[in-house]
Amino acid sequence: DIQMTQSPPSLSASVGDRVTITCRASQSIGSYLNWYQQKAGTVPKLLIYAASSLQSGVPSKFSGTGSGTDFSLTISSLQPEDFATYYCQQSYSTPYTFGQGTNLEIK
Amino acid sequence: QLQLQGSGPGLVKPSETLSLTCAVSGGSIINTNYYWGWIRQPPGKGLEWIGNIYYSGNTYYNPSLRSRVTISVDTSKNQFSLRLSSLTAADTAVYYCARTVDHNFWSGFYKAFDYWAQGTLVTVSS
Repeated sequence: DIQMTQSPPSLSASVGDRVTITCRASQSIGSYLNWYQQKAGTVPKLLIYAASSLQSGVPSKFSGTGSGTDFSLTISSLQPEDFATYYCQQSYSTPYTFGQGTNLEIK
Repeated sequence: QLQLQGSGPGLVKPSETLSLTCAVSGGSIINTNYYWGWIRQPPGKGLEWIGNIYYSGNTYYNPSLRSRVTISVDTSKNQFSLRLSSLTAADTAVYYCARTVDHNFWSGFYKAFDYWAQGTLVTVSS
């Protein structure tokens, strides 16, 4: 299985900040990397697919970069509704695997 | 607007079999661009992919669960189902059904889970 490791596990930031979450794959996965947002008690929401493509309806404040083994999700100008847990997920090969999540909290 | 609605019991006894169904509305399950699958999340933990099915019936399972999992599709009812046998407390989780979209880029097909049902909390306990 391909292991996905996110860092940091948790992150405190303030409204208006720009933050970056990173995700590393245990082997090269090309651009087969997705990012999801999950707010407490709700369903995960797809933000970015194919490493850098913005899902329809997702604000452009979210952006993704990377290829191979190293990826990042950047959120610009944090708003209260952005505080949530973020997961990366590889779709390069089955079993599809997720990172352990990054909990973005309000400072 | 596509909607997925999961249903099934919230409490199952150890060693028994869990059966969940996901009804799809607002679109046909017969579509070459989509797969249909299950993902679970133990309370307070991360996400685990269980498996996917194509409308034709082709299935793809997580090897860690393969011996206990069956995913099936009923195109006449526009729904798909999950069966997970020999349950233990470790199977306690929120179970989500989700659509997997296949984005066709020049460089390949990129899959992502783009529509999710609300999730069913399944507790395994006697």
